[in-house]
Amino acid sequence: DTAVSQTPKYLVTQMGNDKSIKCEQNLGHDTMYWYKQDSKKFLKIMFSYNNKELIINETVPNRFSPKSPDKAHLNLHINSLELGDSAVYFCASSQNEQGASGYTFGSGTRLTVV
Amino acid sequence: KNEVEQSPQNLTAQEGEFITINCSYSVGISALHWLQQHPGGGIVSLFMLSSGKKKHGRLIATINIQEKHSSLHITASHPRDSAVYICAVSSNTGNQFYFGTGTSLTVIP
Repeated sequence: DTAVSQTPKYLVTQMGNDKSIKCEQNLGHDTMYWYKQDSKKFLKIMFSYNNKELIINETVPNRFSPKSPDKAHLNLHINSLELGDSAVYFCASSQNEQGASGYTFGSGTRLTVV
Repeated sequence: KNEVEQSPQNLTAQEGEFITINCSYSVGISALHWLQQHPGGGIVSLFMLSSGKKKHGRLIATINIQEKHSSLHITASHPRDSAVYICAVSSNTGNQFYFGTGTSLTVIP
């Protein structure tokens, strides 16, 4: 039973489209994250939610909007997709916002914008 | 300059060798994390440290808070250890996370 599951695993879409990536964790963790890994493999945090409340919002275009309907879900919606949005997006969770017990990562969503 | 610097960037070792990957950081932290990313892309959290040393199997992670430095050691390395190892820190102010650029390790049989 997957602890942190992301869907879809691969997403190919045209510029200008709107798309969503879903993330669910069944670990009972309070905190969830979205990370972006660019073509150079550099990992950067985008958002963090603790108990459905936004606690980290890095400098990310406002075309990216996270939604947390409950603490087990953190979805990422992207409007007006651009070529530069192509990357691998990882969802993760931790017991609390201090990262207690480490992080559990999803398997990633490879987004390709054409 | 990144808040987290790792060295080396790339590392090739023979099976059985003892491996060390270094991480230095420039911010105050509440914890330091070592992550492993396999060629397939999945990321696994290996360690979370706030002081001292932790050991899990052949992996050992140490941290020196005063020197703002951490090391990840792999004893008796094996080809299955081939992966990218990423150091990350959570700061003690403002809920910031910083990642190193990773160390790509290849262990040759």
